[in-house]
Amino acid sequence: SQQGEEDPQALSIQEGENATMNCSYKTSINNLQWYRQNSGRGLVHLILIRSNEREKHSGRLRVTLDTSKKSSSLLITASRAADTASYFCATGSGAGSYQLTFGKGTKLSVIP
Amino acid sequence: DVKVTQSSRYLVKRTGEKVFLECVQDMDHENMFWYRQDPGLGLRLIYFSYDVKMKEKGDIPEGYSVSREKKERFSLILESASTNQTSMYLCASTSGGAYNEQFFGPGTRLTVL
Repeated sequence: SQQGEEDPQALSIQEGENATMNCSYKTSINNLQWYRQNSGRGLVHLILIRSNEREKHSGRLRVTLDTSKKSSSLLITASRAADTASYFCATGSGAGSYQLTFGKGTKLSVIP
Repeated sequence: DVKVTQSSRYLVKRTGEKVFLECVQDMDHENMFWYRQDPGLGLRLIYFSYDVKMKEKGDIPEGYSVSREKKERFSLILESASTNQTSMYLCASTSGGAYNEQFFGPGTRLTVL
């Protein structure tokens, strides 16, 4: 069953602008991850945030997690044309299970 | 460099054929997964395996089976392919632990005619 739901479904911005994608989920989690997928390819892990963390940074990426609202956001600063891809959030419930439940993704287009 | 490979990037099969999709990882991971990805539906888990010869059903196992005879290899089998199994199939692996990322293969785009 789907856990994460990304918003918006599609986003188009100019190069240099910031891109913000949101993810909401329904049940308790122990971590939330973001992945990127270039067209027709496999997914690549971007960043993981644990349930006891509120914010995490990696290069131009900033992820926030609000467990009280069951939501997360991914911010990409100073976007580049190479950031054009689909972005997925995935939730892990822990407790010995290594499964992740993926959302449907946000398709980001960065226009040069 | 860690790697997950899938046997084919593109595959075209006929309805009723038996189809084998192979996935190999070189990271000595215990856990391997098969997903299918369809437009508007995201990734859905078909089966996963947490050890050799062990398997668990995911969310959509109907019409599929799996085999894991060796730690590095996880096969997805479509016993009798149908047109509604036309999809992108993605394999992934991860080591044990609750905070580990999954590593994905490049995907196999299967078309069933």
